[in-house]
Amino acid sequence: RKEVEQDPGPFNVPEGATVAFNCTYSNSASQSFFWYRQDCRKEPKLLMSVYSSGNEDGRFTAQLNRASQYISLLIRDSKLSDSATYLCVVIPNDYKLSFGAGTTVTVRA
Amino acid sequence: EAQVTQNPRYLITVTGKKLTVTCSQNMNHEYMSWYRQDPGLGLRQIYYSMNVEVTDKGDVPEGYKVSRKEKRNFPLILESPSPNQTSLYFCASNPTIAPGQGDSTDTQYFGPGTRLTVL
Repeated sequence: RKEVEQDPGPFNVPEGATVAFNCTYSNSASQSFFWYRQDCRKEPKLLMSVYSSGNEDGRFTAQLNRASQYISLLIRDSKLSDSATYLCVVIPNDYKLSFGAGTTVTVRA
Repeated sequence: EAQVTQNPRYLITVTGKKLTVTCSQNMNHEYMSWYRQDPGLGLRQIYYSMNVEVTDKGDVPEGYKVSRKEKRNFPLILESPSPNQTSLYFCASNPTIAPGQGDSTDTQYFGPGTRLTVL
């Protein structure tokens, strides 16, 4: 079983729609969780950290469910510029980072 | 400007010809790492370094070497490249010596990537 698994998508949504997807992780001792965004095989860039209580940054909301071992990302009022691949990153407490393979989101006009 | 740089950005080489991909960061970060990214597999960690002269294997270290003689530089060395090492490579750095603290110091800063093709 992979340490971090994501639905690869693609999620094709119209502008203005809400899209949400999850990422599951296998190591229950994991301490840190992030969502990164990657455009067209460029370098990943931090979108947001995921905190235990859940957090929101503008149109983006991240949630952590430790009991079921998954994190989620919800994008409201999708923009064309939100089209990208979203990578889930999980850090257990052993200095190694685990990346999901990414979820592709395509927002159409 | 705070950044991670990699060189070269693109490289086509032949099997067995030793090559080095350089990585440098100007943020005085302790932790640096190398990843490869392949379709459907996501980013996989090759090697990481928690400080000068401290390196350790990631998930896919076979066929690679690294060194950390200075804090800012973390070159990736392929002694005898093979076609299965054709990939997109990213170097990254992190402020903390030990990612996994559950705070913002876990943020990874990535270089622009090196697209390597081994024929």
